[in-house]
Amino acid sequence: DAMVIQNPRYQVTQFGKPVTLSCSQTLNHNVMYWYQQKSSQAPKLLFHYYDKDFNNEADTPDNFQSRRPNTSFCFLDIRSPGLGDAAMYLCATTEGAQETQYFGPGTRLLVL
Amino acid sequence: QKEVEQNSGPLSVPEGAIASLNCTYSDRGSQSFFWYRQYSGKSPELIMFIYSNGDKEDGRFTAQLNKASQYVSLLIRDSQPSDSATYLCALNFGNEKLTFGTGTRLTIIP
Repeated sequence: DAMVIQNPRYQVTQFGKPVTLSCSQTLNHNVMYWYQQKSSQAPKLLFHYYDKDFNNEADTPDNFQSRRPNTSFCFLDIRSPGLGDAAMYLCATTEGAQETQYFGPGTRLLVL
Repeated sequence: QKEVEQNSGPLSVPEGAIASLNCTYSDRGSQSFFWYRQYSGKSPELIMFIYSNGDKEDGRFTAQLNKASQYVSLLIRDSQPSDSATYLCALNFGNEKLTFGTGTRLTIIP
């Protein structure tokens, strides 16, 4: 059974048109993460929630926002996608510090 | 700055041989070490984690950790074509965040 679910799996948007990516988890984990991964690169952490506490990485552009309305769901909002935002977006969860992170299948974003 | 270094490869290994993947890190405060496998176009999948010095075995996979020398390695015995993937080393420095290496691309040659 899927434990970390991401929707949609593929998303095509237009330059500048807002887009929202969704992540849900059945693990009841405290921490949820959003990563951006481009081809042949390591996953890059954008931000994460520890329970309701939002933690933004210093180099995450303001164009990227996130919401976590409850334990199970977390959303990534890209307010004005640029061509450089085309990437795989990965959601991950963990119980807490030093624990294993479990990844969802990812959403591949294409910006036209 | 906390850094994780991996040889990007590609590393080519004949089928049935042992594949050896290495990772070095800069921070002696590292506490948890993870190996993820990532197939092209897919998300990372946990292979193994290790916390203590020494070897940890799981089937065909063995993780080796040497904190004094600041390296962690992954051995894959009896390599199969299905092992062809990028292997990501990831470290935890005591909080809830992981630092990833850039990954080693492994190709198993039939």
